[in-house]
Amino acid sequence: NAGVTQTPKFQVLKTGQSMTLQCAQDMNHEYMSWYRQDPGMGLRLIHYSVGAGITDQGEVPNGYNVSRSTTEDFPLRLLSAAPSQTSVYFCASSKLRGWDQPQHFGDGTRLSIL
Amino acid sequence: AQKVTQAQTEISVVEKEDVTLDCVYETRDTTYYLFWYKQPPSGELVFLIRRNSFDEQNEISGRYSWNFQKSTSSFNFTITASQVVDSAVYFCALRGGGGSNYKLTFGKGTLLTVNP
Repeated sequence: NAGVTQTPKFQVLKTGQSMTLQCAQDMNHEYMSWYRQDPGMGLRLIHYSVGAGITDQGEVPNGYNVSRSTTEDFPLRLLSAAPSQTSVYFCASSKLRGWDQPQHFGDGTRLSIL
Repeated sequence: AQKVTQAQTEISVVEKEDVTLDCVYETRDTTYYLFWYKQPPSGELVFLIRRNSFDEQNEISGRYSWNFQKSTSSFNFTITASQVVDSAVYFCALRGGGGSNYKLTFGKGTLLTVNP
């Protein structure tokens, strides 16, 4: 069972470069989200989606774009990378029906911006 | 606004000691859900338990137990007879139950180190 798959696992960028972090899930989950994890800050929500064509901002959306063209995929785009975006990024998904559904997390993408 | 506070940044114990991780939450919702996740040194996030606001029954699962008290807005997690493999960062999280609120708010985590 693949679950939530994130690619790449590691990436180094230069300031100003753009890139897309990929996230795919094979559980037919309606809800998908992106978090960033920084030391001492826990996980902070960047963007989320409740279904194809529907996205919304989380706590720290600036500098990031998302789209949801299919149920399976939820890519995160860094428009112009900045050192402050150095972080570990997690994608998560869950069923929409039932707020008690735990989120399933990918293994994370460790991103360094030089 | 939702908030989750894990006041303990780091805890260090010796193997076989019992340890309790504290979690205090704030929400205006009358219906809400609480979760605990574990992040071992390998980095993945592992779901441990969920509890809804209507169910204050405490739970025991092997060496793990959870104490949910609405009166103090706390959802504490206890590991009995800790083992080195329990070393990880533990996150408490809250999801409100109002309308279309599916956002999950995390605490900042507690780093547990179990020494042999």
